[in-house]
Amino acid sequence: GESVGLHLPTLSVQEGDNSIINCAYSNSASDYFIWYKQESGKGPQFIIDIRSNMDKRQGQRVTVLLNKTVKHLSLQIAATQPGDSAVYFCAETQQAGTALIFGKGTTLSVSS
Amino acid sequence: DAGVTQSPTHLIKTRGQQVTLRCSPISGHKSVSWYQQVLGQGPQFIFQYYEKEERGRGNFPDRFSARQFPNYSSELNVNALLLGDSALYLCASSLDSDRGTDTQYFGPGTRLTVL
Repeated sequence: GESVGLHLPTLSVQEGDNSIINCAYSNSASDYFIWYKQESGKGPQFIIDIRSNMDKRQGQRVTVLLNKTVKHLSLQIAATQPGDSAVYFCAETQQAGTALIFGKGTTLSVSS
Repeated sequence: DAGVTQSPTHLIKTRGQQVTLRCSPISGHKSVSWYQQVLGQGPQFIFQYYEKEERGRGNFPDRFSARQFPNYSSELNVNALLLGDSALYLCASSLDSDRGTDTQYFGPGTRLTVL
């Protein structure tokens, strides 16, 4: 079978490395997915989104990959910087839905 | 441009009291959603309002209520506070909830502590 990236509650990387954060979503009917970054004491900050008719989308230093077959989402951060240290959440919503459903967060720690 | 604003920043209440939290959306956004974030977990959906009407409700007791005003700002009320209501309460705004896929932008949250 196809391997699926495991969700890790914490990820530690060195400055300059590439980071990959994984997320398994719950609802096959979900058609819109978002990655948020949450720094300590702050609200979630939008990073990048992707709709279900796509399997890859790139932003500035970030790439989101969507695998609908195994209901898996990943966030790749290139050249990770200390300012990227935060908790990262994936969120999903259905086409006609209103509520965001958040996955388990991953705490990214970047050391210089 | 101002983002989503919330007040107060922090709040301490005792069990049984009532609390009102306030949110102002991004200018031009007509939809406001409320989420509860318990320490160490992801946000959980409480309510969404669009054009002053409730468009969605999460699995929260009737002690939780909300409303949206003509200027699209919103209030979240929680009655008969319990210790378990201690959390970060987040407000998010989006342009139009009818499309269901509009990006929700979050405010800084109100940290509620119930003693």
